Amino acid sequence: QKEVEQDPGPLSVPEGAIVSLNCTYSNSAFQYFMWYRQYSRKGPELLMYTYSSGNKEDGRFTAQVDKSSKYISLFIRDSQPSDSATYLCAINQAGTALIFGKGTTLSVSS
Amino acid sequence: DGGITQSPKYLFRKEGQNVTLSCEQNLNHDAMYWYRQDPGQGLRLIYYSQIVNDFQKGDIAEGYSVSREKKESFPLTVTSAQKNPTAFYLCASSSRDRGPGELFFGEGSRLTVL
Repeated sequence: QKEVEQDPGPLSVPEGAIVSLNCTYSNSAFQYFMWYRQYSRKGPELLMYTYSSGNKEDGRFTAQVDKSSKYISLFIRDSQPSDSATYLCAINQAGTALIFGKGTTLSVSS
Repeated sequence: DGGITQSPKYLFRKEGQNVTLSCEQNLNHDAMYWYRQDPGQGLRLIYYSQIVNDFQKGDIAEGYSVSREKKESFPLTVTSAQKNPTAFYLCASSSRDRGPGELFFGEGSRLTVL
């Protein structure tokens, strides 16, 4: 079983839709959970991070971690065409390198 | 403005040739990383360095080499021993003062082997 699993999509939604992006992981020792956004032909940029179970909100974005199920989610409310990108989940534990999911490609149409 | 600069953006190489990708950062970050990205594969770690003159292999180090002679520079050499070098290469850095998962990435270098 891979350490991080992420459905690559692609995912296509109309403008204004609520988007749900998800990852599962296998190692309960992982402590830190991140979401990166990558526009085409660019490097990824950190979007959100959380270190505990529960929800973390930042504007239209909500990151959710369920450690008991080893499941992390990113929700995008009122999606915009500018949200069209690839979203990568990333996890690690203290002192180790990040492990990235394969990324989900999102397209928001106007 | 602080950031990470990768060069060249696009590079073509003939089979059997070595090529070196440049990565420079002016963020004063201690750690630097090289990732490879292939379609549908996500990011895979090639090498990383947490301090000058020290570096560790990542998951796919075979066919690659690095050096870290200066804090701000972490060049990657793709050698002729790398069987499938055509890919998008990303350099990143991080600071101990930020969260453990907060990486700053460059714009990437796309290598194509002809």
